Amino acid sequence: DTGVSQDPRHKITKRGQNVTFRCDPISEHNRLYWYRQTLGQGPEFLTYFQNEAQLEKSRLLSDRFSAERPKGSFSTLEIQRTEQGDSAMYLCASSFLAGGLGEQFFGPGTRLTVL
Amino acid sequence: QKEVEQNSGPLSVPEGAIASLNCTYSDRGSQSFFWYRQYSGKSPELIMFIYSNGDKEDGRFTAQLNKASQYVSLLIRDSQPSDSATYLCAVNGQGAQKLVFGQGTRLTINP
Repeated sequence: DTGVSQDPRHKITKRGQNVTFRCDPISEHNRLYWYRQTLGQGPEFLTYFQNEAQLEKSRLLSDRFSAERPKGSFSTLEIQRTEQGDSAMYLCASSFLAGGLGEQFFGPGTRLTVL
Repeated sequence: QKEVEQNSGPLSVPEGAIASLNCTYSDRGSQSFFWYRQYSGKSPELIMFIYSNGDKEDGRFTAQLNKASQYVSLLIRDSQPSDSATYLCAVNGQGAQKLVFGQGTRLTINP
């Protein structure tokens, strides 16, 4: 299977702890996106990378959140000092931009529960 | 005003009928439009995209775009119980690569 993969699939943590999620995009895709989705809502954009460069960050991405894509392949999203409001599904998507507008394909997501 | 609006439903349709899902958007510069299907507890799955005014058909699915009215729709013909899911409309804004999603419409196909 060559789709987008995410790890872990589920994470339960206590408030105040740090968590890190990993995303491996489809291998030939140069763009990688992070979204967050809460129950009953559509996904909300957090940030995206083109190769290793982080090109846009949402206002939603507070200073407790940091994302990296060091070699233009996999990406990590870290949340420091987690809060209960961080509980959500964190979705990664990737796309290949080459002249077209690049359809985004999502991974299975990481469901975060902050106790 | 939300950037992308969908009726949250639930929309209930009998098996074999046509399901019609609608979406409006506020950014006139939006360039591309997507429909994702999301089963409960799963991630969104891309089922259709459309860039130009008019209709685009793929199997039982037809996407319709009217940029003048800032309106996108998805028609599902011969609805099956397996089509029961939440359908998310997403829009790629002008000059931006992020997707802006509506809240989704929950569709139930009744056998």
